[in-house]
Amino acid sequence: KAGVTQTPRYLIKTRGQQVTLSCSPISGHRSVSWYQQTPGQGLQFLFEYFSETQRNKGNFPGRFSGRQFSNSRSEMNVSTLELGDSALYLCASSSPGDNYGYTFGSGTRLTVV
Amino acid sequence: DQQVKQNSPSLSVQEGRISILNCDYTNSMFDYFLWYKKYPAEGPTFLISISSIKDKNEDGRFTVFLNKSAKHLSLHIVPSQPGDSAVYFCAASGAGGTSYGKLTFGQGTILTVHP
Repeated sequence: KAGVTQTPRYLIKTRGQQVTLSCSPISGHRSVSWYQQTPGQGLQFLFEYFSETQRNKGNFPGRFSGRQFSNSRSEMNVSTLELGDSALYLCASSSPGDNYGYTFGSGTRLTVV
Repeated sequence: DQQVKQNSPSLSVQEGRISILNCDYTNSMFDYFLWYKKYPAEGPTFLISISSIKDKNEDGRFTVFLNKSAKHLSLHIVPSQPGDSAVYFCAASGAGGTSYGKLTFGQGTILTVHP
């Protein structure tokens, strides 16, 4: 079966701009989580969506937002980009009964200049 | 407040020997623990998990041990192979609403297996 697909793979943006990242989960998976990975902070949880509803949110400013569509595809948006937002953004999908074995995509590498 | 800690940034072992990666946690509400393997520019790949009601789970060359009283878990890889060289992350999940979709990760351990 197809894995978790994230687009684009790489992105360069300028400070102050906004960006939208996309994640297509494994078919049948309704839960999508987003993570930010940086060298200093490691992998940190951003938020989780299930059936188009945000069920959980990490400790990130309101500039970070997301949504999920009826087909379970998810997008995350970062507004007013800062240099510190440069990171690898990962999404993961899961399904009940997966024993918490979240499947991750390859990520989107965002560079803010 | 780092709730999941991997105190060894790196580990080097010889091919065929055992690799032992360690992880400590502080939050007693965690009820599920996972190990992931990650290569550069790729997402983490799920390896093995263990529920807090168990103390051992085995899958092929990978075994995870959980010591709840010490809040410690370890991943054993036997025998180690050069293809195991990667960054290994320990992660934990709790139960209930505040834990939906949320894994708390350690900082990772770079494993290098020498031929």
